[in-house]
Amino acid sequence: KQEVTQIPAALSVPEGENLVLNCSFTDSAIYNLQWFRQDPGKGLTSLLLIQSSQREQTSGRLNASLDKSSGRSTLYIAASQPGDSATYLCAVHSGGGADGLTFGKGTHLIIQP
Amino acid sequence: NAGVTQTPKFRVLKTGQSMTLLCAQDMNHEYMYWYRQDPGMGLRLIHYSVGEGTTAKGEVPDGYNVSRLKKQNFLLGLESAAPSQTSVYFCASSSFSGGWSETQYFGPGTRLLVL
Repeated sequence: KQEVTQIPAALSVPEGENLVLNCSFTDSAIYNLQWFRQDPGKGLTSLLLIQSSQREQTSGRLNASLDKSSGRSTLYIAASQPGDSATYLCAVHSGGGADGLTFGKGTHLIIQP
Repeated sequence: NAGVTQTPKFRVLKTGQSMTLLCAQDMNHEYMYWYRQDPGMGLRLIHYSVGEGTTAKGEVPDGYNVSRLKKQNFLLGLESAAPSQTSVYFCASSSFSGGWSETQYFGPGTRLLVL
């Protein structure tokens, strides 16, 4: 059974710092990996999707990498801003066809002004 | 486009009551999903559908039923609600390519409290 772990569970940093969020998964046979952002009381917003054949994806100040063989992904946030404060979730799609995502429990990020 | 919408936003039920949660998407996606989110447990898949008229069980399907009579709608039913079903329910949809799903888009969630 696929398991997804996110470290750290919580992180608080001053504004302007670059930071890295970590995600690991136990079964390397994945189709893709997705990073989401969730604000309190809200739904999930997709940030980046990395297909299993890809090594990284970038969107603005966000860069996500994937090392499928070692079962790891990182989300890099450059020049953090208070508006980046949220919970970040990592999820892998490892079932055949349309099986749903397996989620980590998230990293709760606070950017101090 | 409204994306993925969910009805209702919040509901309180008594143990044993029934209800249906409605999910609608306007992106013409083939795949739709229902997840529940609980503190300390993360999001877990309840049921999913790969197209109109088809459904399948996810990780935690017990106590729930689903139907996909129209491509754009996916219904989640609780026949006899239990306090353990108190949770936040999220619907998601996605297109597919090469046989597997692409980016999943989520609705705003339904908060359900079972007393």
